[in-house]
Amino acid sequence: SAVISQKPSRDICQRGTSLTIQCQVDSQVTMMFWYRQQPGQSLTLIATANQGSEATYESGFVIDKFPISRPNLTFSTLTVSNMSPEDSSIYLCSVVQGLGYGYTFGSGTRLTVV
Amino acid sequence: GENVEQHPSTLSVQEGDSAVIKCTYSDSASNYFPWYKQELGKRPQLIIDIRSNVGEKKDQRIAVTLNKTAKHFSLHITETQPEDSAVYFCAASSAFGNEKLTFGTGTRLTIIP
Repeated sequence: SAVISQKPSRDICQRGTSLTIQCQVDSQVTMMFWYRQQPGQSLTLIATANQGSEATYESGFVIDKFPISRPNLTFSTLTVSNMSPEDSSIYLCSVVQGLGYGYTFGSGTRLTVV
Repeated sequence: GENVEQHPSTLSVQEGDSAVIKCTYSDSASNYFPWYKQELGKRPQLIIDIRSNVGEKKDQRIAVTLNKTAKHFSLHITETQPEDSAVYFCAASSAFGNEKLTFGTGTRLTIIP
């Protein structure tokens, strides 16, 4: 299955600032997904990122707050903008490589906003 | 959109016994149903998946069953071991590889030695 390198693994940020999370995949993938997992909760999809087009955001998530870049088929970034303590969460990227491999997740970024 | 419900939210099982976790989905177009295991502080890991053209799939102590008519699928773990303790998530997708996964709310499984 695909190997995903996600960074940073954790960060503590001041409210009002922004953090950019990177995901690098070891193979080309068409779609990359960004999820948020709040403590003790399930995974909620933020957006789907396709190379060469605007990301598709889920209800409740907007581009101004979570801008996404997808410059090529192996890389994507998610920015959490103008952070507040409510943004404290784990953010994960995910890809699907092909039949038989399923959807694979990055190791996650644990964000704490103070 | 798709809605996936998962039960129970917590489950405690004696070591060696079986555990069953159930999920229901709402979108009849869903055709791919994976199960993930997430240990504390770790990323979700795929443990088994099933497609809508199959009613059951087994991998050693883990099995998944799918009832398309009733729109529910279940995870079965037999001969449970302490290392099976984790949070388990079911998910559904309408187009494997080209569509998002919608996750259930999770089940915290505890194996009692």
